[in-house]
Amino acid sequence: GAVVSQHPSRVICKSGTSVKIECRSLDFQATTMFWYRQFPKQSLMLMATSNEGSKATYEQGVEKDKFLINHASLTLSTLTVTSAHPEDSSFYICSALCPGLIDQETQYFGPGTRLLVL
Amino acid sequence: AQSVTQPDIHITVSEGASLELRCNYSYGATPYLFWYVQSPGQGLQLLLKYFSGDTLVQGIKGFEAEFKRSQSSFNLRKPSVHWSDAAEYFCAVGTVYNTDKLIFGTGTRLQVFP
Repeated sequence: GAVVSQHPSRVICKSGTSVKIECRSLDFQATTMFWYRQFPKQSLMLMATSNEGSKATYEQGVEKDKFLINHASLTLSTLTVTSAHPEDSSFYICSALCPGLIDQETQYFGPGTRLLVL
Repeated sequence: AQSVTQPDIHITVSEGASLELRCNYSYGATPYLFWYVQSPGQGLQLLLKYFSGDTLVQGIKGFEAEFKRSQSSFNLRKPSVHWSDAAEYFCAVGTVYNTDKLIFGTGTRLQVFP
């Protein structure tokens, strides 16, 4: 159980285009999802917390107009990188918070999306 | 503010040898502690977690970790490493008052020689 998927797994786009990444919890409902960014050989940096039905909470230094987050349902959150530029190239990973007493406060991670902006 | 330190950036062991990956945290109260593993180009897989109770936690793939409050540590161990264990290992801490956020350590890259 507690499977999280991401789509696409890899995307290459031209500078100036927008890219949407989907994060889905497949076997549980997640009111809270998270978006991380990981640079090569570095740790994960939390970008924002996505809450179903409300606005996302962005970490300091993350441009909310650049990285649009929508959490329209209990199983889906999307991250849209608007007007992508080469410096946005990175590995983006989502996670979903698994609710309930048995698995409380545990984040399950998606497989990640590799974005390359040319 | 809470923080996590993984002192070892890179560890190399022989297959069959024992393994210990270090993790130290900084937080004033009892933290929630996690170990995740990441294979190249992949997301993170949860190995084990500590919330409360028994300080020795068993996880998947034969891993275990011990929470030592006096040392603010949560070291990951495995008695016999397999070549498939080669990956990046991340320690993370959550807190009672902000349990939805995880603070990650910088990771330890494990290399296994046959």
